[in-house]
This record gives sequence, C-alpha cells and structure tokens, in this order.
Amino acid sequence: QVQLQESGPGLVKPSETLSLTCSVSGGSISPDYWSWIRQPPGKGLEWIGSIYYSGITNYNPSLKSRVTISVDTSKNQFSLKLRSVTTTDTAVYYCVRGTGAFDPWGQGILVTVSS
Amino acid sequence: DIQMTQSPSSLSASVGDRVTITCRASQGITNSLAWYQQKPGKAPNLLLYAAAKLESGVPPRFSGSGSGTDYTLTISSLQPEDFATYYCQQYFNIPPTFGQGTKLEIK
Repeated sequence: QVQLQESGPGLVKPSETLSLTCSVSGGSISPDYWSWIRQPPGKGLEWIGSIYYSGITNYNPSLKSRVTISVDTSKNQFSLKLRSVTTTDTAVYYCVRGTGAFDPWGQGILVTVSS
Repeated sequence: DIQMTQSPSSLSASVGDRVTITCRASQGITNSLAWYQQKPGKAPNLLLYAAAKLESGVPPRFSGSGSGTDYTLTISSLQPEDFATYYCQQYFNIPPTFGQGTKLEIK
C-alpha cells in the first residue's frame, strides 16, 4: 500500500524559504493528486495546496503568493516551497494523497521558524 | 472559503457510550465531507468520506450522515482506542477546509 514520507530541515530562519519533499513508496505518483497540509502546534488543519502528477497545481489563496508545489515523477516525489516564512508558519507539515478526502497521510514533519 | 463549524469542541464520555459530533458548513456541500480521527503526535486518519462511506478497515461502530449543510459523525459504542480528536473537512470547493476539531475525552 502507498506510504508517504516527508523530509527536509526542521528549522528555518524567518524570511527564508521552507523546502520539503515527500517521497511516495508502494505505488506510483501517477495518476493521482497530492497535497500538503499543515497543523500549527495545538491547532487545526490547513490545506496548503495540491498538484496533479502532470504538474497542474491548486493553492490555498491565503498562501498562494508564497507557495510553489512541484512534482518529480521520475523520483516518485513531490515538493513544497514556502517563501518568506515567519514564526506563524511553524507547524507540522503533512504530505497526503488526494484533493478531496485525504488518504493516506505521511507521518508529518515539524518545521520551526526561528532565528 | 467554506467555513466548517464543529460542535461540541470537547466532549467527555465513557466506554460503551454512544456519541455524536456535528459539523455545519457555511453553505451546502452536497455530501462532499470527510471525517478524520487524530491521536496525539500522529497524523489524522480518514474514517469516512462522501459523508457516510466508511473507509476500508474502519470499524462499523463509526457512521456518518447528513445533507446540505449539516452532518454528523456517530460512534455507536465507544472503545478505549476511540478517545482522540475528530475533524470534519469539506471538499466541495477549493480550498478544502477543516472544522476546528472535537476532542473526545474519557469521563
């Protein structure tokens, strides 16, 4: 069955770019939709954006100006870049399959924005 | 964005109890609703989709219903492993949005 694993730095400085990669195993990244969702400590869930295996993207309007999601089908991976981060971007970041009901989820990676 | 409002925000119950969690959307979402269970330190886990369809492997004590703007998640007989936080989520419109969560605690 499909499994997802997030990777990337756990600490990012304010104003810099948060970069994460999600590796998909147990199945092909195509033809499916893939998303990033985040959860600030002790708070609720926020959808960041999604990508189709062909590269078509949708972003949350609240983050659209700072977000880029890309896909590398040869590596069975997709990635997130969030620019100009502030402390409010501190959260557990999850990669997930889908754009409707999300399943499965990666285990999540805590990214802290701090100098 | 469609706003999702869950009630209650927290709930105390005992093993064996029947519990219901409600989710209200700010506009009609034609059953484009999912429910998730999240335990501390873990990723959310999909329980139901399309408002009432049980995800594979999820025990049948979980059920969902509703239409239009109002939806419910029911756990027919609480088990110790069910104490967790539950989220609803609409996928009728982009961006998909989540309720604020309902924390189910042991009485």
